[in-house]
Amino acid sequence: EAQLVESGGGLVQPGESLTLSCVASGFTFSNCWMSWVRQAPGKGLEWVANIKYDGSEKYYVDSVKGRFTISRDNAENSLYLQMNSLRAEDTAVYYCARSDFNYAAAFGFWGQGLRVTVSA
Amino acid sequence: DIQMTQSPSSLSASVGDRVTITCRASQGISYHLAWLQQKPGKAPKSLIYDASSLQSGVPSKFSGSRSGTDFTLTISSLQPEDFATYYCQQYNSYPITFGQGTRLEIK
Repeated sequence: EAQLVESGGGLVQPGESLTLSCVASGFTFSNCWMSWVRQAPGKGLEWVANIKYDGSEKYYVDSVKGRFTISRDNAENSLYLQMNSLRAEDTAVYYCARSDFNYAAAFGFWGQGLRVTVSA
Repeated sequence: DIQMTQSPSSLSASVGDRVTITCRASQGISYHLAWLQQKPGKAPKSLIYDASSLQSGVPSKFSGSRSGTDFTLTISSLQPEDFATYYCQQYNSYPITFGQGTRLEIK
């Protein structure tokens, strides 16, 4: 059974950094594009970034370019999101999501999400 | 960026009803559209990809269709567990974008 387990969330002050992790199991992680998607409190879903199965391509939403870095370690079945210069507007629940059918962002499976709060 | 506009934003229906939610893309996205279901406090669940293909394990009461840049999600014979928020999402081009959501409530 597929699983995506996120960790690393919490409360940080504006300008600080945080790294999110997502460990995959139950499927061949190294074959899948992976994404981070976030949801601000009471708001809709926002795609943040994705990474190709071999790490050779990465894409970001404009609002996080230059501040966030997506990466993966296929040997560890792990996905990461390094978040620097955090802002209040980055406060959200962050989900890792697996893309299926060889698409870059046709999400077939989601992690349970973790909360990131950026506040002084 | 491609804007995804869902209608209605909210919808009240009764158990047993059939409902339709519409999503319009601001430009062509071919059939690269997904529908997601989200219940309060839970992660999204993927229902449909490629506009009309059911994800594994999703009941056939859910169906999707496409007409140009207009997409619809139809849910037949509503059950209590179907009351949730539904999102459309395009994956044709970057940035990946979602509709604003349609909240389906029990009448």
